[in-house]
Amino acid sequence: GQQVMQIPQYQHVQEGEDFTTYCNSSTTLSNIQWYKQRPGGHPVFLIQLVKSGEVKKQKRLTFQFGEAKKNSSLHITATQTTDVGTYFCAVSGSARQLTFGSGTQLTVLP
Amino acid sequence: NAGVTQTPKFQVLKTGQSMTLQCAQDMNHEYMSWYRQDPGMGLRLIHYSVGAGITDQGEVPNGYNVSRSTTEDFPLRLLSAAPSQTSVYFCASSYHPGTEYGYTFGSGTRLTVV
Repeated sequence: GQQVMQIPQYQHVQEGEDFTTYCNSSTTLSNIQWYKQRPGGHPVFLIQLVKSGEVKKQKRLTFQFGEAKKNSSLHITATQTTDVGTYFCAVSGSARQLTFGSGTQLTVLP
Repeated sequence: NAGVTQTPKFQVLKTGQSMTLQCAQDMNHEYMSWYRQDPGMGLRLIHYSVGAGITDQGEVPNGYNVSRSTTEDFPLRLLSAAPSQTSVYFCASSYHPGTEYGYTFGSGTRLTVV
């Protein structure tokens, strides 16, 4: 199946600082999804990107899909303690099954 | 409440025991999947289904069986539990992945095999 590399694995930021996580693939992706998992919780769907160069925003979160559809990023502006958790990207296989990246664990220091 | 329901939430098994993790959704979703999550390993796909009567293997299927006799239910069977199967198991469902819909996850089953 398709593989995605996600970096960084861990990120510690001071509250108010920005945060970015990246997903990279060696092959062209049909789409990419982003999920957030709070500590002790389950993954929650955030967004899906489909088009080359697509940019979507959800309040302080900005999601981008690369022009070649081989990479994607999630950027959080002015982090808050509520942003704590692990952020995963995920890509669809031929039967729409998802393969997840390894995740970026975000810690926000007050 | 609509969503994905997993039972039990916690389970301790002895090596060699078998059990079934239950997963049910009431959203009429066609697509369902089972994942396991180990520390530092992310989510790994065990088995998935694209509709009733249709299942397929994911990345780590060994030691697990699934069936999908109805749209609502997708149980995961551990045939002979091993300590390596200690993990958190998540069931997820989706109306149609690849559109604007993502997967909805259950709250998970935390399994310990001793």
